[in-house]
Amino acid sequence: GAGVSQSPSNKVTEKGKDVELRCDPISGHTALYWYRQRLGQGLEFLIYFQGNSAPDKSGLPSDRFSAERTGESVSTLTIQRTQQEDSAVYLCASSRDTGGSGHTIYFGEGSWLTVV
Amino acid sequence: GENVEQHPSTLSVQEGDSAVIKCTYSDSASNYFPWYKQELGKGPQLIIDIRSNVGEKKDQRIAVTLNKTAKHFSLHITETQPEDSAVYFCAASGQAGTALIFGKGTTLSVSS
Repeated sequence: GAGVSQSPSNKVTEKGKDVELRCDPISGHTALYWYRQRLGQGLEFLIYFQGNSAPDKSGLPSDRFSAERTGESVSTLTIQRTQQEDSAVYLCASSRDTGGSGHTIYFGEGSWLTVV
Repeated sequence: GENVEQHPSTLSVQEGDSAVIKCTYSDSASNYFPWYKQELGKGPQLIIDIRSNVGEKKDQRIAVTLNKTAKHFSLHITETQPEDSAVYFCAASGQAGTALIFGKGTTLSVSS
């Protein structure tokens, strides 16, 4: 596609429910990243994929958070048993290779999650 | 791991003035330093980047400088306009196989 696509754009869920957030990266981009941005805050790294493997999961806040990527394209971030502190914008990004190689990283518009 | 500090957190300037945002990083192996602009309700957009083999890069009203010895880099916006108002993030990335680590952002307000 033309850019990184994320869905849903907005999600309101009840505390304790599970949510799935989807990311479609730019075609041909092998690296995919998930970041979390709380209201008025910076970007907090969660996880990144190189192809279908996740070399760095160090940013996942707890075992309620997981992510997978299949076919070197779509990725899903799953949050189980959501808590109010999970409310944030979840941003997905992709690049031709990991940022350390100096390839430009492009962001989607984010999925706004509100846990009530 | 990498840690990026960004200052100031807020910056207010008059239209036509210059704005400077500064960042420091901790990992001397970092070699890629992009800057992103984020408007309200949107994802971050890359505005300029610099790699460790150069000390300065300019694109119209925007320039970035890098001092590898001191491990800091700066964004300079000249002749600011109201549409420059946004949150700006610096980031750093180290060795291949690592993700970008971001600063906490600077909210720039340009008043006319």
